[in-house]
Amino acid sequence: SQTIHQWPATLVQPVGSPLSLECTVEGTSNPNLYWYRQAAGRGLQLLFYSVGIGQISSEVPQNLSASRPQDRQFILSSKKLLLSDSGFYLCAWSFPFTRKYYGYTFGSGTRLTVV
Amino acid sequence: GESVGLHLPTLSVQEGDNSIINCAYSNSASDYFIWYKQESGKGPQFIIDIRSNMDKRQGQRVTVLLNKTVKHLSLQIAATQPGDSAVYFCAENRNQFYFGTGTSLTVIP
Repeated sequence: SQTIHQWPATLVQPVGSPLSLECTVEGTSNPNLYWYRQAAGRGLQLLFYSVGIGQISSEVPQNLSASRPQDRQFILSSKKLLLSDSGFYLCAWSFPFTRKYYGYTFGSGTRLTVV
Repeated sequence: GESVGLHLPTLSVQEGDNSIINCAYSNSASDYFIWYKQESGKGPQFIIDIRSNMDKRQGQRVTVLLNKTVKHLSLQIAATQPGDSAVYFCAENRNQFYFGTGTSLTVIP
C-alpha cells in the first residue's frame, strides 16, 4: 500500500530565515505530487504540483519554490521567509492523470509559524 | 471551484441529528467528485467519492448526492457524532482536483 510522509510536523522560524519542508511517498511510482497551503480557518491553496522528476508547475507567485529531485520526493523551500508564509502546509500525492477516479492522499501537514 | 482562501462557512448540529453539507462546483466538465474530512491539525482524509454518471452514492453513515443540472454536490451524515466535528471539503476533478472552500461542522453534545 502507498504511504506519504511529511516532516517536520511543526516549525517555528524567524523572518528572513530559509525553509525546507520535505515529503516522500512510498509504494507507488511516478506519482503526481502537490504542495498546498492552508491559512487558519481558510481553504486549500495549491502552491505547486509536479508530474515527474524535475518538473514543477507553480500556481501562485510568491517567495516559495519547490523541487522534485527524486521520483517520490517533493521539497518546498524558501530562501527568506516572510510573516505571511505562516500556515499549514500539506503535501499530497495522486496517481498520474491517466489513472482517473482516484483522489489525492494528503500527508499529515506541517504547521509553520514565522516569527 | 478552486479555493482562493475564503473564510469557511460553519454548521452546528446536535449530536444524533443528520447533517447536510453543500457544495457548488464550478465546471460542468468535472466528472469525478470527492468529499474530504479534515480534523484539526491533520491532513484531509477521503470520505466518499462519486462519478458524474451517478447521482447518489452511499457509504457507512454518509451519502453523497450529485445534481449536475445545477452543479451541486451534497454530503449527508446520518446520526452525527462528536467525532464528525471537522472541516469538510468537496473536490471536483478535471485532470486535477479543485477544492471548495470547506465547511466547518461542529457537533453539539
